[in-house]
Formats: sequence, structure tokens, C-alpha cells
Amino acid sequence: NAGVTQTPKFQVLKTGQSMTLQCAQDMNHEYMSWYRQDPGMGLRLIHYSVGAGITDQGEVPNGYNVSRSTTEDFPLRLLSAAPSQTSVYFCASSYSPGGSTGELFFGEGSRLTVL
Amino acid sequence: AQSVTQPDIHITVSEGASLELRCNYSYGATPYLFWYVQSPGQGLQLLLKYFSGDTLVQGIKGFEAEFKRSQSSFNLRKPSVHWSDAAEYFCAVATDYSGGGADGLTFGKGTHLIIQP
Repeated sequence: NAGVTQTPKFQVLKTGQSMTLQCAQDMNHEYMSWYRQDPGMGLRLIHYSVGAGITDQGEVPNGYNVSRSTTEDFPLRLLSAAPSQTSVYFCASSYSPGGSTGELFFGEGSRLTVL
Repeated sequence: AQSVTQPDIHITVSEGASLELRCNYSYGATPYLFWYVQSPGQGLQLLLKYFSGDTLVQGIKGFEAEFKRSQSSFNLRKPSVHWSDAAEYFCAVATDYSGGGADGLTFGKGTHLIIQP
């Protein structure tokens, strides 16, 4: 099983550019989420979704958009990249309707650098 | 607001020695608590979780953790570490962002475990 697949693994952007980080899971999980990981900060929740058509904000949502048109995919969009968005991004999914009450399955991460 | 504190940024342990990683949480009700491990360049993997019941929980790879409500702690332990245990360890608590129940995790800042031969 592929599990949670993130693309691209590495990306360099210039300030003001836009891009989409892709996330796909093949486990039929209803819950999907995006975290960012910064040195000394742990992981912080950006956005999450409890099912197709439903999204909500986490701790650090500013500068990011998400949509959930299918159960399998949960893309994260940066509309106008800023250097403060340089980070490693992780997509995670779970079978649990509540998301955080069950095991989260993580992708391998996408390292984004904004110049 | 929920929060998680991992007091130790780095810990160095000799191979074969015992290990304890500390985690303190702040949460008003009964917390759902987790320990995750991250190997270099990888995503996170669940080691164990506490929802209710027995306060000593067993996980994968020989790890266990004990929930102590009076101390607001959920420390991770292993009786004998192996070189392959070198990684970053994260404690996390389920968090209510929407007001409708737990829907995400608040992570600690992590503890970097170094294993000496």
C-alpha cells in the first residue's frame, strides 16, 4: 500500500509565487490534515478536513488554502509565497472521524524554501 | 488552550541503557495523549496512545508510557535502547479547534535522542 503520498518532495519558490502541495491517500480515510514543521517548533496544524467537501482551520491557517473534492486528495495551496512559509510540510490522514482520537498516518514530507 | 511541553531538547543515552523522555500537558478535561517518533527525513509514526483506562500503555518497538493525572505528565520509557532508536520523539495531545470535539493534535517541540555506542 502506498499510504499517504506527498508531491513534490522538494520545492524552491520566489516570494510572491504560488504553488500547490499535493497529498493523496489510498486508505479511504475520512480525516486528512496538513502540518508544518519548523526547527524547535514541533508540528503545527494548518488546515484539516473531516470528509469530502468539509475543511476547517487549524492553528496556523493564514497564507494557505485547502479544498477537499474527493476522499483521496487534500491539496494545500500557497497563493503568494512568503519567506515565513519556508518549512517542511506534512500531510496526515486517519480513519477516525475525529481525526485526533485515532492514529495519524503521515506522508514523508515536502520541503519548501521561499527565497 | 491545550499545550504540550517536552523539557529536554536533546538526550544522550548509551546503547543498552534505559530511557525516559518527559512530557507535560495542559488540558482541562481528560486528555487523549500520543507519542510519535520521526526518523531523519521521514514522516512521523505512532508509538503509543492513551485514551482512558490503564494508565500504563504499551506501544511498538518496546516503548511504554505512563499517564499521571496528578502531575499532568505522560512520560515515555524504554528499558534498553538500541542504536536504531536514535530519532526525534514528539508528545502530542488531541485538540479541539472547531468547538465540536477533538479534531487535530497539538505537538510538543520534540526531543532529539542520541544513542552512544
